[in-house]
Amino acid sequence: DSGVTQTPKHLITATGQRVTLRCSPRSGDLSVYWYQQSLDQGLQFLIHYYNGEERAKGNILERFSAQQFPDLHSELNLSSLELGDSALYFCASSPTGRAPEAFFGQGTRLTVV
Amino acid sequence: AQKITQTQPGMFVQEKEAVTLDCTYDTSDQSYGLFWYKQPSSGEMIFLIYQGSYDEQNATEGRYSLNFQKARKSANLVISASQLGDSAMYFCAMREYLGTYKYIFGTGTRLKVLA
Repeated sequence: DSGVTQTPKHLITATGQRVTLRCSPRSGDLSVYWYQQSLDQGLQFLIHYYNGEERAKGNILERFSAQQFPDLHSELNLSSLELGDSALYFCASSPTGRAPEAFFGQGTRLTVV
Repeated sequence: AQKITQTQPGMFVQEKEAVTLDCTYDTSDQSYGLFWYKQPSSGEMIFLIYQGSYDEQNATEGRYSLNFQKARKSANLVISASQLGDSAMYFCAMREYLGTYKYIFGTGTRLKVLA
């Protein structure tokens, strides 16, 4: 158990809908990272938050947004969902913004039908 | 362009043998970090090892070592004394700082350890 909690584990929704994925980092970790893993795109870095502030942005679509709250949990919001958004979404946390190792949650498997 | 290349889609190794998983990278940055992650069939991602571009010695973590050859831009993962539990997908990744941190992953190598 990495100590990173993601909910829900599975999510099935229809095209055009909006969903929110939640991540609770390890106790004391200030950094949260979001990744998307799909069959055709592989593992893609989406966004990094450190202590509530956005630190880095990767291949995140404009339909997607994220935030990190004062209690350090983070949410990834996906809107106007398309079939191609079906993927495994990982959250990871690390103690600082510079720490190289990141502890991953179990992921949320999103299926858009 | 930033790039990570893993040329071995699949590998087999006999139990207790050593295996090397290849990773080459492309960057024009002087300061970067290289990572390896393991993804078992259960799906979770597990951090294995990290090498900073300025680290003079190769990183080691237990049975994992990273063979870092900066001039060749390669960061191969060596697993010694393979175990059945090492069967998994392995990803090489790079982090660069270009104003903000950017992370890029390779396509992965699926390792199967044979009894």
